[in-house]
Amino acid sequence: AQSVTQLGSHVSVSEGALVLLRCNYSSSVPPYLFWYVQYPNQGLQLLLKYTSAATLVKGINGFEAEFKKSETSFHLTKPSAHMSDAAEYFCAVRIYSGAGSYQLTFGKGTKLSVIP
Amino acid sequence: KAGVTQTPRYLIKTRGQQVTLSCSPISGHRSVSWYQQTPGQGLQFLFEYFSETQRNKGNFPGRFSGRQFSNSRSEMNVSTLELGDSALYLCASSQGQGISSYEQYFGPGTRLTVT
Repeated sequence: AQSVTQLGSHVSVSEGALVLLRCNYSSSVPPYLFWYVQYPNQGLQLLLKYTSAATLVKGINGFEAEFKKSETSFHLTKPSAHMSDAAEYFCAVRIYSGAGSYQLTFGKGTKLSVIP
Repeated sequence: KAGVTQTPRYLIKTRGQQVTLSCSPISGHRSVSWYQQTPGQGLQFLFEYFSETQRNKGNFPGRFSGRQFSNSRSEMNVSTLELGDSALYLCASSQGQGISSYEQYFGPGTRLTVT
């Protein structure tokens, strides 16, 4: 079964420091992977996606992620954290459920705090 | 393009009652998926509708049901509410077919509190 595991339910970084949020996947087929961000009392916003093209994926707000098949990882990074990056981040894998239907399976989420 | 809209944004119900939540997808999108988000279980897939038909269903009891209308708007119904149904219910829309069918766009959610 396809799944994702996010390491660390809570990560704190100083403003201006590197952001690294970890995601490992389990999949028997080439996966489609996603990172979403959720701000308080809001829905999920797509940050970036991996769809088997380039292994280094650039997203919105300066985030990027690198797909590493050998490590089954899809970690999210940003060179310099900003206060506005404080939110919860979810890694997700697309699962094909048949009859043309796809669903997303999410990790448990990582809450990012940015310290001024 | 307008995004995914969900109504109402907040809802308080009593145990045993039923509730209906509404979702309007992005214009042109024909697929609507529903997810439940709770602190304990995280984000869980409820079901997906495409062209007025339920195409996929997650592992939830029959008290959870939905439907989709010809204009792609979708409703989700929960009958005989339990305290554990308190959650943020998220709706996501996608084209539903074709090369970008996997891209899901989420609404702001409906926060349901059951007392």
